[in-house]
Amino acid sequence: ETGVTQSPTHLIKTRGQQVTLRCSSQSGHNTVSWYQQALGQGPQFIFQYYREEENGRGNFPPRFSGLQFPNYSSELNVNALELDDSALYLCASSSLAGGSADTQYFGPGTRLTVL
Amino acid sequence: EDKVVQSPLSLVVHEGDTVTLNCSYEVTNFRSLLWYKQEKKAPTFLFMLTSSGIEKKSGRLSSILDKKELFSILNITATQTGDSAIYLCAVWFSGGYNKLIFGAGTRLAVHP
Repeated sequence: ETGVTQSPTHLIKTRGQQVTLRCSSQSGHNTVSWYQQALGQGPQFIFQYYREEENGRGNFPPRFSGLQFPNYSSELNVNALELDDSALYLCASSSLAGGSADTQYFGPGTRLTVL
Repeated sequence: EDKVVQSPLSLVVHEGDTVTLNCSYEVTNFRSLLWYKQEKKAPTFLFMLTSSGIEKKSGRLSSILDKKELFSILNITATQTGDSAIYLCAVWFSGGYNKLIFGAGTRLAVHP
């Protein structure tokens, strides 16, 4: 186990609704990255948070937003859900950001289904 | 555009076989290449490769990186049913922030 936890494990929503996913990073890690993994694909980078600020963003629309808290836990919020948002959402924590290629440790993920 | 390509996409073998999984990449600001194993949900870390030609080993698994030809291979010898999983290759992109760029994965099925 990596020490990265996510909640909830499964979630079912309908189109147009909003969802919040949560992640607790591994002890000692100050960077959290979020990834979306659609069925049959590799994870796609959504964004990264470092010391409570967004530190980088992938090709996702603004309705994907996030937060990081002083204890380095993080939330991913998705507004106006679409069917294509159905995926496994993975959170990964690491100890450094920018300039150092550290290993990222993944949580178990949240499986989101949008009907 | 930065990309990571894995092959084959799926593979079916019998216990005891040896398999080689391939990963090629075109990524600017390359820092290192990582291999993960994904069984149910969370990808679990296998190897991180930074230097060319240096093989990393862990039990029956080994991996090597070729930074000139821009590829890596993951070998699994004497496969077991417990090796059945998706194997993901990812490359660190570092351009002001770090992110992993993943390939689509190779789905390996090991039959008794």
